[in-house]
Amino acid sequence: KAGVTQTPRYLIKTRGQQVTLSCSPISGHRSVSWYQQTPGQGLQFLFEYFSETQRNKGNFPGRFSGRQFSNSRSEMNVSTLELGDSALYLCASSLEHGATEAFFGQGTRLTVV
Amino acid sequence: AQSVTQLDSHVSVSEGTPVLLRCNYSSSYSPSLFWYVQHPNKGLQLLLKYTSAATLVKGINGFEAEFKKSETSFHLTKPSAHMSDAAEYFCVVLIKAAGNKLTFGGGTRVLVKP
Repeated sequence: KAGVTQTPRYLIKTRGQQVTLSCSPISGHRSVSWYQQTPGQGLQFLFEYFSETQRNKGNFPGRFSGRQFSNSRSEMNVSTLELGDSALYLCASSLEHGATEAFFGQGTRLTVV
Repeated sequence: AQSVTQLDSHVSVSEGTPVLLRCNYSSSYSPSLFWYVQHPNKGLQLLLKYTSAATLVKGINGFEAEFKKSETSFHLTKPSAHMSDAAEYFCVVLIKAAGNKLTFGGGTRVLVKP
């Protein structure tokens, strides 16, 4: 079956703009988590969605938000982009909230100029 | 709060020699522990996981890891490195009681010399 699909793979945006990233989990998986990866901070947890509800949130400003649809697909949005938001954004798919195994997509590389 | 420390940011080995990647964790709860690998411009692939069953865990591509509670360690090993093992490796802890999010170590970049 298909893996985790993230779109787009690459994005270039200007400071102050907003951006929306998409993640389609593995078929049958209902939990989607988002992570930010940067050279300086490493991999950091953004938030988790399960059954269209945010179940957990990391330490990121309110400019970072997300949602999940009834088909389990998830989007994350970053408003008022800053240069420091340049990163690889990874989506992880799990069967359920509390599942001990997560499958990652290839990520969306966002560059803010 | 839980945390994960990977003791080496870079490891260089010769092809055919053993690989050891060191990981220590701290947690007030019984953790689930994982090793993930990330090849350049790729996502993360699960190598193996420990979830309170056998303490010696075998994973894909010949990797294995041993959970040692007394040492709070979960080191990753492979008897013989292959060129395709060159990648970045992440030790990860998950605490269900702490919100179920994955906490990543800083990563270890492995270089394999021919």
